[in-house]
Amino acid sequence: KAGVTQTPRYLIKTRGQQVTLSCSPISGHRSVSWYQQTPGQGLQFLFEYFSETQRNKGNFPGRFSGRQFSNSRSEMNVSTLELGDSALYLCASSLGPAETQYFGPGTRLLVL
Amino acid sequence: AQKITQTQPGMFVQEKEAVTLDCTYDTSDPSYGLFWYKQPSSGEMIFLIYQGSYDQQNATEGRYSLNFQKARKSANLVISASQLGDSAMYFCASRADYGGSQGNLIFGKGTKLSVKP
Repeated sequence: KAGVTQTPRYLIKTRGQQVTLSCSPISGHRSVSWYQQTPGQGLQFLFEYFSETQRNKGNFPGRFSGRQFSNSRSEMNVSTLELGDSALYLCASSLGPAETQYFGPGTRLLVL
Repeated sequence: AQKITQTQPGMFVQEKEAVTLDCTYDTSDPSYGLFWYKQPSSGEMIFLIYQGSYDQQNATEGRYSLNFQKARKSANLVISASQLGDSAMYFCASRADYGGSQGNLIFGKGTKLSVKP
């Protein structure tokens, strides 16, 4: 069974731009969570989706948003990029909210 | 609120020896889960092992075992017979279990393990 896939794997943007990251969960998984990883703050939870509904949201500004489609694929969007948004963005999927999360390879975002 | 503490920023171990990575947690939730993930330099987080707070026995998965001491709020990862491929960052994480509705993962800062040949 294929694992979690994330596209693109690498991305370079400039301040003020917006970006959309995509995550395809493991087949049959209906829950998708997003995390941001930086050297300074470590791994921080962004949001969680299940059956196209946002169930949980971390402490991030409104510039960070996401959605989930009927096939469980998820996207996250960051508008008006700031230098501090440079990070590894990890997506994780699970059968449901109560199950173990399996992570994708991440998208490395660099904001210049 | 939950908090995970990993006090060892870096660890060295000789190949084929066992190593223990420390993790303590702080939570007021009556039911929770504890996880260990491995992150190689490529960036992908690899799930290793899970322990539920009500599980009576320590979890084991191949060469990985979790030394769960509930009263001390510790969930140390033991890797037996270390291999060169075990060199990576290791993260301990917790998640509150609110009945049928689970919380998100809270991660520690991680421990960088280096296996020496």
